[in-house]
Amino acid sequence: DTGVSQDPRHKITKRGQNVTFRCDPISEHNRLYWYRQTLGQGPEFLTYFQNEAQLEKSRLLSDRFSAERPKGSFSTLEIQRTEQGDSAMYLCASSAARTWGTGANVLTFGAGSRLTVL
Amino acid sequence: GQNIDQPTEMTATEGAIVQINCTYQTSGFNGLFWYQQHAGEAPTFLSYNVLDGLEEKGRFSSFLSRSKGYSYLLLKELQMKDSASYLCAAEGSNFGNEKLTFGTGTRLTIIP
Repeated sequence: DTGVSQDPRHKITKRGQNVTFRCDPISEHNRLYWYRQTLGQGPEFLTYFQNEAQLEKSRLLSDRFSAERPKGSFSTLEIQRTEQGDSAMYLCASSAARTWGTGANVLTFGAGSRLTVL
Repeated sequence: GQNIDQPTEMTATEGAIVQINCTYQTSGFNGLFWYQQHAGEAPTFLSYNVLDGLEEKGRFSSFLSRSKGYSYLLLKELQMKDSASYLCAAEGSNFGNEKLTFGTGTRLTIIP
C-alpha cells in the first residue's frame, strides 16, 4: 500500500473557475476526511465520510464546496466559482473504523493538493 | 465546539528537552493526539492519549489530564530533524463527531 494519494499536487486557477481534487485512501480504511490548511495554521476540518456516507460537514464549508465518495473508496472535493480566499493546502486523510471505545482513530494524511487562486 | 490552544513558536537547543503544552475546551472529548508536520509535508502521527497520565514512546512522551483539559508533548535529546510544527488535536466523542480538531500548531526550531 502506498498510503493516501492526492491529485493534483498543485493547482493554479483563475478566480471563478471550478477545481476538483481527488483522494485515494489506504485501501482498508473506511473513513475519509478532508481538511484545509493555510500557512502557519493547523488543519481545519471540512468534512468526513464513513464508507460512502458523509457524516459531518463543517459550517465553514460553503455551498460552493461539495465532496463525494460514491463507492466508499476514492473521494473528490470540488470547489465551484473559486475565490482568492480558497487558496490553501487541501489535505485528505483516512482511518480504519475501530471497535467503539477502543483503540485510536489514527488519521493518515496524504501529501495534500495546493490550490492557488489568482 | 472545540477550542485548542498551544504556543505559536518555541526554540530549543540540540540535545536538550522541550515541553510543548496544549489546552483544550470541548463539548465532547474522546482523546488527544499529537502530530508532527515538517514544512511542506503532511502531518504524521506521534502519539495518542485517552487516559490520564504519561505515554512514552522513545524520545517522545505525551501527557494528558482530562480534568484540567491539558496535555503536553515532551521531546528529549533534541535533534536538528525535530525542527517542525507540532499539532495538538482533540477527538470528539459522539458518533458522527469523531473528527480531529487541530490547534494552530507550535513551530519548534532547534538550534545547535
